[in-house]
Amino acid sequence: DQQVKQNSPSLSVQEGRISILNCDYTNSMFDYFLWYKKYPAEGPTFLISISSIKDKNEDGRFTVFLNKSAKHLSLHIVPSQPGDSAVYFCAARFYTGNQFYFGTGTSLTVIP
Amino acid sequence: SQTIHQWPATLVQPVGSPLSLECTVEGTSNPNLYWYRQAAGRGLQLLFYSVGIGQISSEVPQNLSASRPQDRQFILSSKKLLLSDSGFYLCAWSVGITDSVGENTEAFFGQGTRLTVV
Repeated sequence: DQQVKQNSPSLSVQEGRISILNCDYTNSMFDYFLWYKKYPAEGPTFLISISSIKDKNEDGRFTVFLNKSAKHLSLHIVPSQPGDSAVYFCAARFYTGNQFYFGTGTSLTVIP
Repeated sequence: SQTIHQWPATLVQPVGSPLSLECTVEGTSNPNLYWYRQAAGRGLQLLFYSVGIGQISSEVPQNLSASRPQDRQFILSSKKLLLSDSGFYLCAWSVGITDSVGENTEAFFGQGTRLTVV
């Protein structure tokens, strides 16, 4: 049962434009959401997170938006750079849980 | 600072051979430890996690097993590899969970092991 879903397997964006990566989840009890970036043959690296009590968190070019009523979160990258080309995973967890639930990833290509 | 080491980086093994992948964490105590697998074109599948020495939770029944002989050491094993065991294996750690809201943290991943079973 996939509790965290990324329905777009790939996305292409022109350099300098906005990249929007989407993620949906099914369990309304999740407390914490995270985004990871992964290059081929490397482990994922943490990008940004958001608590369920917030609806927005910003860190430089990266902003995560959370819509709890829709059980939806998105990662905005502005402006997009070629180095942002990677696979992006969203993940969710509970405050008192030990597991991270990952989506299937979205491959972002930023075209120079 | 905390670091995570995972080895080997790549491994080619024949079908039916044993497997042992090792992961160690430095700079923290009592971490939660995880083994994930990323099959080709797929997402991250949680295989095992551990909240303490000797405590292993299995998420997916399969040909693999995990052990945690020391606080910061996590081992993934198989007695006989199958072709379907090929994939990219990732070890990760996170701070042990507390009940205090707001003290959650992310998981930190190792560099991964590319396993090819031939």
